[in-house]
Amino acid sequence: NAGVTQTPKFQVLKTGQSMTLQCAQDMNHNSMYWYRQDPGMGLRLIYYSASEGTTDKGEVPNGYNVSRLNKREFSLRLESAAPSQTSVYFCASGQGAFYGYTFGSGTRLTVV
Amino acid sequence: DQQVKQNSPSLSVQEGRISILNCDYTNSMFDYFLWYKKYPAEGPTFLISISSIKDKNEDGRFTVFLNKSAKHLSLHIVPSQPGDSAVYFCAARSRGNDYKLSFGAGTTVTVRA
Repeated sequence: NAGVTQTPKFQVLKTGQSMTLQCAQDMNHNSMYWYRQDPGMGLRLIYYSASEGTTDKGEVPNGYNVSRLNKREFSLRLESAAPSQTSVYFCASGQGAFYGYTFGSGTRLTVV
Repeated sequence: DQQVKQNSPSLSVQEGRISILNCDYTNSMFDYFLWYKKYPAEGPTFLISISSIKDKNEDGRFTVFLNKSAKHLSLHIVPSQPGDSAVYFCAARSRGNDYKLSFGAGTTVTVRA
């Protein structure tokens, strides 16, 4: 039971480079989410997809784009990376409020 | 503006004693509250939740209390064990909001032997 799988686990980018973070879930959840975690800030929602074919902005969407490729996969793209995007990124999926989300193990991104 | 606040960044407790983690919120539309536990280099894992229609939910050593009038919830861990050393996040969902969760900044718990 893989749950939520994120790739890559680590990445170093130069300012201005682009990259896509991949996320896949095998729990047949409708909703998927991208969060970033920064010290003292907790987890902040970047983008989410309530169901296949829909995406919406969260609290901190600037500088990011997403694609809900199918029910299983939800990718996050940085078009032109900036040092302020240095963070740990978590993908999550969910189905219902009571049990919350299942999170992936995270991608640690450093932009130099 | 953070709607979910954990004002204590850290907590140190002796093994076998009670750990109490606190969380305050500002949005009266929140209808579910959750606690997540996170170890280094891993994703957060769901611990326990409570609906806004209840004031207490218990699961083994973990109990969550909700005080709606004070917009406050707490997590009690009894007895604390070394494996409980982790970062704990409080989270809340706003009614009818696509299941989006708002998270607090987290509290790092250290259980001393």
